[in-house]
Amino acid sequence: KQEVTQIPAALSVPEGENLVLNCSFTDSAIYNLQWFRQDPGKGLTSLLLIQSSQREQTSGRLNASLDKSSGRSTLYIAASQPGDSATYLCAVRRQNQGGKLIFGQGTELSVKP
Amino acid sequence: DTGVSQDPRHKITKRGQNVTFRCDPISEHNRLYWYRQTLGQGPEFLTYFQNEAQLEKSRLLSDRFSAERPKGSFSTLEIQRTEQGDSAMYLCASSLFGGGNTIYFGEGSWLTVV
Repeated sequence: KQEVTQIPAALSVPEGENLVLNCSFTDSAIYNLQWFRQDPGKGLTSLLLIQSSQREQTSGRLNASLDKSSGRSTLYIAASQPGDSATYLCAVRRQNQGGKLIFGQGTELSVKP
Repeated sequence: DTGVSQDPRHKITKRGQNVTFRCDPISEHNRLYWYRQTLGQGPEFLTYFQNEAQLEKSRLLSDRFSAERPKGSFSTLEIQRTEQGDSAMYLCASSLFGGGNTIYFGEGSWLTVV
């Protein structure tokens, strides 16, 4: 059974700091991994999608890496801003599982001005 | 591309009542998913459709829950005889067929059962 874990559960940093969010999964037979952002009471916004054959993806100040063999992904946020405050969720899509995503519990990020 | 649209955004209902949520996916997306999220947790998969066919249902989807996608476009999720444990946010998502495609989520429908 695929399990996804995100550490830490919450993180508070001062504005301008670079930070890393972690995601681990137990079954390496994944199709891809997707990082999402969720603001309080809102839906999910897709940030980055990494295919299983890829090592990393970048979008602006965000960089996501994937190490399938060790079951780990990281989301790197450069020069954090108060507007980055949100919950960040990672989700894996297993092979031969249709479109089902298995989510971690998320990391709640607070960037202090 | 207007995004995934869900209605209503908020619903308060008395225990025992039936509720129905609607989801309009991104146009031309042939896959549509339903997830449920409770406070402090990640979303949990409920069911998904490819066109009008419901291809998978989670064990979380009890007999009181039913989802339809009659013409392969919008979808409805109905909960019959609601219970307090049904209180959650119900998220709809859509994507194009193919494992490599991004899944896009809507804003969610909040359900509170009192």
